[in-house]
This record gives sequence, C-alpha cells and structure tokens, in this order.
Amino acid sequence: KAGVTQTPRYLIKTRGQQVTLSCSPISGHRSVSWYQQTPGQGLQFLFEYFSETQRNKGNFPGRFSGRQFSNSRSEMNVSTLELGDSALYLCASSLSVRGSETQYFGPGTRLLVL
Amino acid sequence: DQQVKQNSPSLSVQEGRISILNCDYTNSMFDYFLWYKKYPAEGPTFLISISSIKDKNEDGRFTVFLNKSAKHLSLHIVPSQPGDSAVYFCAASAVFTQGGSEKLVFGKGMKLTVNP
Repeated sequence: KAGVTQTPRYLIKTRGQQVTLSCSPISGHRSVSWYQQTPGQGLQFLFEYFSETQRNKGNFPGRFSGRQFSNSRSEMNVSTLELGDSALYLCASSLSVRGSETQYFGPGTRLLVL
Repeated sequence: DQQVKQNSPSLSVQEGRISILNCDYTNSMFDYFLWYKKYPAEGPTFLISISSIKDKNEDGRFTVFLNKSAKHLSLHIVPSQPGDSAVYFCAASAVFTQGGSEKLVFGKGMKLTVNP
C-alpha cells in the first residue's frame, strides 16, 4: 500500500497570507489527524477527522481549520499567517479514531512564514 | 499543561550499549502508550506500544516498561546501533469526555545519538 502523502512538501508564505495543505491517507484509513511540530514543542495535536466529521480539536486558534472529503483525503487551512506558524505540519492516518490504533505519518509539509 | 514529558532532550550512547529513554505522564486516564521514531525530513514511524494492563512489552531489540504507580514509562534499546540515531517521541492516549474520541498526546521528543 502507498503511504500517507502530503503536498506540498515545502512552502514559503508571508505574514497575512493563507495556506492550504493537503493529506492523502493510506487506502482504507478513515481517520486523519493533523499535528504541528516546532523546535522544542514536539508534536502538538491540531485536529482529527473521521468520516468527514471533526472528532477532536486541539488548542489552536480558529485561524487553523480543516476538512475531510468523502474519499478520506483531508485539507488543513491556516488563514492570516503569523511568523509563529512556521513549522512542520504532519498528517497521520489510521483505520479508526481509537488512540490504540497505530497512526501512520506522512513526511510533513514544512511551512516557512516570512 | 504538558501531560506527557520527556525531560531529557538528548542522549548519546556507544554502539552496542543500552539506550534508555524515559517518559513521564500526568494524566491517570491514559491507558495506552506508544513510542515513535523520527528521522530528519521524514514523518514519525511507530516503534512499539504498551497497554496500561501490561508492565512490559518487548519487540526485538526494543522493550517498553510501564510503571503506572509512578506514571512513568521507558524505552530500552539493546544493543544500540548507529541506525537508531533519531528523535524519539513518547505518546499517550485516553478516552476524553469531550467528543468521546481518543487522541494522542505527544512528548517533546528526545534526540538519541548512537556513536560507532
């Protein structure tokens, strides 16, 4: 099976712009989670989608939003970018929403906000 | 409030020796724990997990120990190999009442360097 794919891999934006990141899960996986990784902060949970519904949300401002399509592909949007949004954004897919399900991560999208 | 803590940011060991990576958690509701390994420019990959009903799980060179009373788990790698050099993340999950769904809480990660 193909792994989790994320596009684009690298992105440079300026403050105030908005950005959309895409994630294609492993075939058959219906749960997609998004994480932000910054130096010294580890992986911080953004949100999780299952069957096109947001099942859980982390402590991020409303500028961060997402959605999931019927084919389980997911997009994440960040509006009004700030310098602090520069990070590696990781997408992970799993069969279901249970925390005991192994999550398979994509390579990430590295976002740089200037 | 950091619920999963990896207090040592880095560890350096010699090839062939044991690597011990530690992780502490504060939420007693966590009932499943995982370790992920991450190489630069790649996403984290699942390494090993343990349920709260166990105190030890072994998979080849990797063993995870869970001490529930101390809210502490550790990952042992024996023998350590240079290819094990990576950032290791500890993660935990529990059923949260909000939304009723489970999610993973990650630690900040620990960089392991295995010297030849």
